[in-house]
Amino acid sequence: AQSVTQLDSHVSVSEGTPVLLRCNYSSSYSPSLFWYVQHPNKGLQLLLKYTSAATLVKGINGFEAEFKKSETSFHLTKPSAHMSDAAEYFCVVTPLLSGNTPLVFGKGTRLSVIA
Amino acid sequence: DTGVSQNPRHKITKRGQNVTFRCDPISEHNRLYWYRQTLGQGPEFLTYFQNEAQLEKSRLLSDRFSAERPKGSFSTLEIQRTEQGDSAMYLCASSSWDRGGDEAFFGQGTRLTVV
Repeated sequence: AQSVTQLDSHVSVSEGTPVLLRCNYSSSYSPSLFWYVQHPNKGLQLLLKYTSAATLVKGINGFEAEFKKSETSFHLTKPSAHMSDAAEYFCVVTPLLSGNTPLVFGKGTRLSVIA
Repeated sequence: DTGVSQNPRHKITKRGQNVTFRCDPISEHNRLYWYRQTLGQGPEFLTYFQNEAQLEKSRLLSDRFSAERPKGSFSTLEIQRTEQGDSAMYLCASSSWDRGGDEAFFGQGTRLTVV
């Protein structure tokens, strides 16, 4: 079975400071891991994905995440927050090459960016 | 726009009425997913199709829910005898599994309010 725990329901940062959104996963198989972002009244958008290649994954808008198997973590980071980054972020897991298991979402982390 | 399209965007219905939502996936995608998202939660998996075959249904999908994808293109999700607990955002996503892609592209959702 697969599951995801997002350790913070809400993170608040000042504009220009680093962002860290934490995610731990559990998977019976080698996982594929994703981060999606959801802005108000907009659809879910893929930020980045890990599928067993490089453990440090770069995504859109300056975000990146590092897969750490020993810690079963896939934390999302960004060096400098921008006001437009304020949104809901979801960590997602699915077994790599499973073929038959859909995406499993975490409960989300709401990111607030203070001017 | 060639993204995932969902209609209607909003639906208000009285308790006990039936409702039907439509999802048009990205045209070359063979997988189509339905998720439900309630306030403050991550999307929860309901069901998915590969082409016209419905491969998996969540326990969340009670007998009042039915989904179809008759020609392997668009899909409908029907809820019969709606209850207030059905109020949620219903999300559709599609992906192209044959091409090794496990990334799902999401529509903007249909927000259902049962009064």
